[in-house]
Amino acid sequence: KAGVTQTPRYLIKTRGQQVTLSCSPISGHRSVSWYQQTPGQGLQFLFEYFSETQRNKGNFPGRFSGRQFSNSRSEMNVSTLELGDSALYLCASSKSGNTEAFFGQGTRLTVV
Amino acid sequence: AQTVTQSQPEMSVQEAETVTLSCTYDTSESDYYLFWYKQPPSRQMILVIRQEAYKQQNATENRFSVNFQKAAKSFSLKISDSQLGDAAMYFCASQRANTGTASKLTFGTGTRLQVTL
Repeated sequence: KAGVTQTPRYLIKTRGQQVTLSCSPISGHRSVSWYQQTPGQGLQFLFEYFSETQRNKGNFPGRFSGRQFSNSRSEMNVSTLELGDSALYLCASSKSGNTEAFFGQGTRLTVV
Repeated sequence: AQTVTQSQPEMSVQEAETVTLSCTYDTSESDYYLFWYKQPPSRQMILVIRQEAYKQQNATENRFSVNFQKAAKSFSLKISDSQLGDAAMYFCASQRANTGTASKLTFGTGTRLQVTL
């Protein structure tokens, strides 16, 4: 059974640009959550999607957005990148959102 | 709101010995889950053990066990017979148990575990 797949694994972007990260959940999982991990702030919840609907959102500016497709794959987008957006972005999938979450290996975003 | 506190930034244990990682949490929920996740250098978060708050019995998973003290809001992880592969960052996390709705994981700041020969 394939695990959670995040692409790309590494990304370097310039301030002011935008970026799209992708997450393919485990087959049969309908919930996808996104987390930002930084040395200073630790692991912070961004948002969660279930059946193409955003059910929960963390305390991040509107530059951070996401969506989920009918096949449960999810994308997150960050517009007008800032240096502080440099982080490891982790995606987790679960069957319903309150069952065991499985994480991908993350996308390391560096903003220069 | 839920908060999770890990007061040990780093711990070290010798191979084959036992180590305990501490975690305290705060929540106003009556039902919730508690987790320990392991993050090795590969960065992938791996679930080590899960505890349902309504269960009094401490969860156990092979060499990993927890000491869940609900009244004290304490949730420590004990690793027995430590192995080199246990070296990683360990995160304690909590989650509201609210069937059918979204519930985010709230993480602590992590404890880096070193395993020495």
